[in-house]
Amino acid sequence: ETGVTQSPTHLIKTRGQQVTLRCSSQSGHNTVSWYQQALGQGPQFIFQYYREEENGRGNFPPRFSGLQFPNYSSELNVNALELDDSALYLCASSSGGVSEQFFGPGTRLTVL
Amino acid sequence: GIQVEQSPPDLILQEGANSTLRCNFSDSVNNLQWFHQNPWGQLINLFYIPSGTKQNGRLSATTVATERYSLLYISSSQTTDSGVYFCAVGRGNEKLTFGTGTRLTIIP
Repeated sequence: ETGVTQSPTHLIKTRGQQVTLRCSSQSGHNTVSWYQQALGQGPQFIFQYYREEENGRGNFPPRFSGLQFPNYSSELNVNALELDDSALYLCASSSGGVSEQFFGPGTRLTVL
Repeated sequence: GIQVEQSPPDLILQEGANSTLRCNFSDSVNNLQWFHQNPWGQLINLFYIPSGTKQNGRLSATTVATERYSLLYISSSQTTDSGVYFCAVGRGNEKLTFGTGTRLTIIP
């Protein structure tokens, strides 16, 4: 059974640029959730995708957007990067409904 | 939204000691998970425990849903137990709300 994978591991961008982060869900899971973790804080929910549709969104601006593909992998896109977007971005997969979420290793984004 | 508080924020223990980490939440939940975050940022699943008691080796957890708290017990601590422990709760099939974590340091 393959776990949740994310790419890239690290990324450095400059303010105003755009970034795409990728996540492959665990085998058998159809739901992907994205979280942002700033230094010294707990992860904050960005949004969730279930069967290619957005299924809930946290308090993040529209420049944070996402996609889920037919194989249930997912992308997180962030436009017009700001310095405060520097964080660890975590992806979690689950089997839908109320179920345990399993996290990937994360992508560490630095915005200069 | 739901509030999650973890205590203590920091805990320093000698190797071999036992510890209890607490998670209080402000509303009813149907999902509760405990995680250990390693130094590289990976969240490791410890327990999925919306209610009841579970044990896994030196670790055990209890959730009393009616009183809105959960406890994580670590016995005979080892240096590899060091890191940040998070409690996360959910009320539907969407997001998990995380606490601010407990940073555990085990001294040899």
